[in-house]
Amino acid sequence: TQLLEQSPQFLSIQEGENLTVYCNSSSVFSSLQWYRQEPGEGPVLLVTVVTGGEVKKLKRLTFQFGDARKDSSLHITAAQPGDTGLYLCAGAKNYGGSQGNLIFGKGTKLSVKP
Amino acid sequence: NAGVTQTPKFQVLKTGQSMTLQCAQDMNHEYMSWYRQDPGMGLRLIHYSVGAGITDQGEVPNGYNVSRSTTEDFPLRLLSAAPSQTSVYFCASSQGGPRGNQPQHFGDGTRLSIL
Repeated sequence: TQLLEQSPQFLSIQEGENLTVYCNSSSVFSSLQWYRQEPGEGPVLLVTVVTGGEVKKLKRLTFQFGDARKDSSLHITAAQPGDTGLYLCAGAKNYGGSQGNLIFGKGTKLSVKP
Repeated sequence: NAGVTQTPKFQVLKTGQSMTLQCAQDMNHEYMSWYRQDPGMGLRLIHYSVGAGITDQGEVPNGYNVSRSTTEDFPLRLLSAAPSQTSVYFCASSQGGPRGNQPQHFGDGTRLSIL
């Protein structure tokens, strides 16, 4: 069972277009993190959202945490080729340890063409 | 800053062979974890550790062993490699566990092929 569903799985757009990536779950998470991964490298944290309804901005990227803390979205304004990469959402889940574990969505592979 | 260092970067094994994937971090992080990344599957947690001497299983632990004798090192052992273990393996570390909203710092991965 995939706890975090990301959509779309693939996205190919032209430079300058806007896009939104979604991360949905039937479970409540105490926080959600968004990572970006480039080919041949490990994921790098972009943002952590903690409070329901929270909106965070990182230059042209806007992250929102749903009011019920079950979903999140990433909106990119005027996409650039440098935004190309795999975007992953991740939520804290407990396999038994008190410190929790991260559960990742399957990712959205974004390609921005010049 | 070295961060999280994984070795080797690439490895090809034959079915049945064993090997150890190395992971070291120089940030004095207590929490360390191993993930595997397969096409269309995202990152799945194999094993994790909340401190030296303490390890536990994640979502897909079968066929893998871990130990944590020091804060810095968290090796992952494949006991008897199988083709299903062909994957890219990532090690990550953080100051605290995910419930503390700590960012995970990832290595650049080990690309493992089992023939």
